Amino acid sequence: DAKTTQPPSMDCAEGRAANLPCNHSTISGNEYVYWYRQIHSQGPQYIIHGLKNNETNEMASLIITEDRKSSTLIRPHATLRDTAVYYCIVEGGGGNKLTFGTGTQLKVEL
Amino acid sequence: DSGVTQTPKHLITATGQRVTLRCSPRSGDLSVYWYQQSLDQGLQFLIQYYNGEERAKGNILERFSAQQFPDLHSELNLSSLELGDSALYFCASSVETFPSSLYGYTFGSGTRLTVV
Repeated sequence: DAKTTQPPSMDCAEGRAANLPCNHSTISGNEYVYWYRQIHSQGPQYIIHGLKNNETNEMASLIITEDRKSSTLIRPHATLRDTAVYYCIVEGGGGNKLTFGTGTQLKVEL
Repeated sequence: DSGVTQTPKHLITATGQRVTLRCSPRSGDLSVYWYQQSLDQGLQFLIQYYNGEERAKGNILERFSAQQFPDLHSELNLSSLELGDSALYFCASSVETFPSSLYGYTFGSGTRLTVV
């Protein structure tokens, strides 16, 4: 069974914030939420990860709900170059690799 | 440049042949992961090595094998190639073995294999 559920596609206007949701209702206490993105056929790129608390780095912010059953990746001021497939991954607690699902295809338009 | 180097970038070969894909991890990274990405399957984990030892195995076919050498570079060997093996093959590296590696994976730009 998939650990995460993401919408297959989303659109965002350039300059606006892209808010990408992810549901992970079966997440266990020692599992982390990771976000990666893949720009057309390039290698996936690490964005951010978190356990409980909200996290922010130079690329994005990660908001995790208090019950940890869902999270949102926020890419502020999206540009055309942010068009990519965004993967939300839940892993850890004895796991030994990252398992990629189908992700969300984000299209940033003018 | 991510620091993970994969060669060759493109490879075209015939069915039944054998090829070797090479990956040099980012400096200081001990763990190497191989992934296959085909159009209908998405990113599939194949195998992981840590400091020369196999640590995890995923959906890797028996026709495929890998190893990590003392200098930490890794090779993925694909034999008796079939049309369905056409895909992008990515290598990733990390400082430690998952799940201790909380710094994320760094992926290479991939090798595009076309079997004709």
